[in-house]
Amino acid sequence: EIVLTQSPATLSLSPGERATLSCRASQSLGNYLAWYQQKPGQAPRLLFSEASSRATGVPARFTASGSETDFTLTISSLEPEDFAVYYCQQRRRWPVSFGPGTKVEI
Amino acid sequence: QVHLVQSGAEVRKPGASVNVSCRSSGYTFTNYGISWVRQAPGGGLEWMAWINADKGDTNYAPKFQGRIKLSTDTSTSTAYMELRSLRSDDTAIYFCARGFRNTPLVNFDSWGQGTLVSVSS
Repeated sequence: EIVLTQSPATLSLSPGERATLSCRASQSLGNYLAWYQQKPGQAPRLLFSEASSRATGVPARFTASGSETDFTLTISSLEPEDFAVYYCQQRRRWPVSFGPGTKVEI
Repeated sequence: QVHLVQSGAEVRKPGASVNVSCRSSGYTFTNYGISWVRQAPGGGLEWMAWINADKGDTNYAPKFQGRIKLSTDTSTSTAYMELRSLRSDDTAIYFCARGFRNTPLVNFDSWGQGTLVSVSS
């Protein structure tokens, strides 16, 4: 099973600051990595698939990059609604798996 | 617009079973698969299982093999998850999620609202 590690576990920032989140895989994923945002009491929301393909409706301040084993999600300037937990997920090998999440907090 | 609407919260005793439903709308149900993902209180996301909504093929995570059963009713565009022999550590929010194509190796582009299953004696 592919293990995903996310860092940091918690990111304490202020609105307007830049957030950089990391996801590292135990095996090569190619570009088969997705990012999700989850707010309290809500289901996850797909932000990016295939490492860098932005989902419909995702603001341009969100960008994602990376390949193989190292991936990054960047929020260029945090808005109040961006404070949430972010998960990465791989679909390179069965079973699909999620990282433990990074909480972006004020 | 794609919608997945799940059944309501459930409370069960250890050893019991639970059924959670997930009704889909806004797309052709049989063109996509449905996965089930759970989240323990304060925890992360855990993939459990997948079903081909067209053919009914299933794929279960080893951890749940033997305790879980997925099914669908194509006439109502509804997916079902049955989890048996419940334990206290099965207490979680259970999500259904649509995969972007009809295989188990997918990302999830639409999610149900989640169903809280509480297991307690």
